[in-house]
Amino acid sequence: GDQVEQSPSALSLHEGTGSALRCNFTTTMRAVQWFQQNSRGSLINLFYLASGTKENGRLKSTFNSKESYSTLHIRDAQLEDSGTYFCAAEAENRIFFGDGTQLVVKP
Amino acid sequence: DMKVTQMPRYLIKRMGENVLLECGQDMSHETMYWYRQDPGLGLQLIYISYDVDSNSEGDIPKGYRVSRKKREHFSLILDSAKTNQTSVYFCAIDRGRHAEQFFGPGTRLTVL
Repeated sequence: GDQVEQSPSALSLHEGTGSALRCNFTTTMRAVQWFQQNSRGSLINLFYLASGTKENGRLKSTFNSKESYSTLHIRDAQLEDSGTYFCAAEAENRIFFGDGTQLVVKP
Repeated sequence: DMKVTQMPRYLIKRMGENVLLECGQDMSHETMYWYRQDPGLGLQLIYISYDVDSNSEGDIPKGYRVSRKKREHFSLILDSAKTNQTSVYFCAIDRGRHAEQFFGPGTRLTVL
């Protein structure tokens, strides 16, 4: 969407490696959410942040409202991490979705 | 975890037919959403419901209407479906107005 710029649009990783996904915002957001859409099409909640950093296993996410961005770091990528990752940012009265990053993890 | 259900999961209709998609939740949360997702794209907001009979248009409401007569149920209705309404439709709820969202499994609608 216009308010949320998500990058990269596609990413390929070998098992065991890592990378970062990023969302930049064109307006002030008060929270961000990250989802993984798996091969079955289900949207799985990964993180919800109003500020700071959260970590869960091999995933870590940061939200910097002042500098208008959020990142999702994946380390030690596994095959099951493949899918499309979306960020969704919350403004005063709306939630805006990024267009997603398609991640492929290869053996 | 919040549970969001959607029925049916798959549906095939002919152009001009009426379509009813159902969404249910088990926690009486106020805010519910309908989105559609097309191949290679993110989610587009169709309608938001803030409570029973309190609905607002999203970004792409044309061709759709909604109904919320009970807090637990939110329906998406297509009167006279069009082929360009072929899509995957997701329902979502959140903990409060525009807070963390939880999605249902989706309904794959094909309009022939």
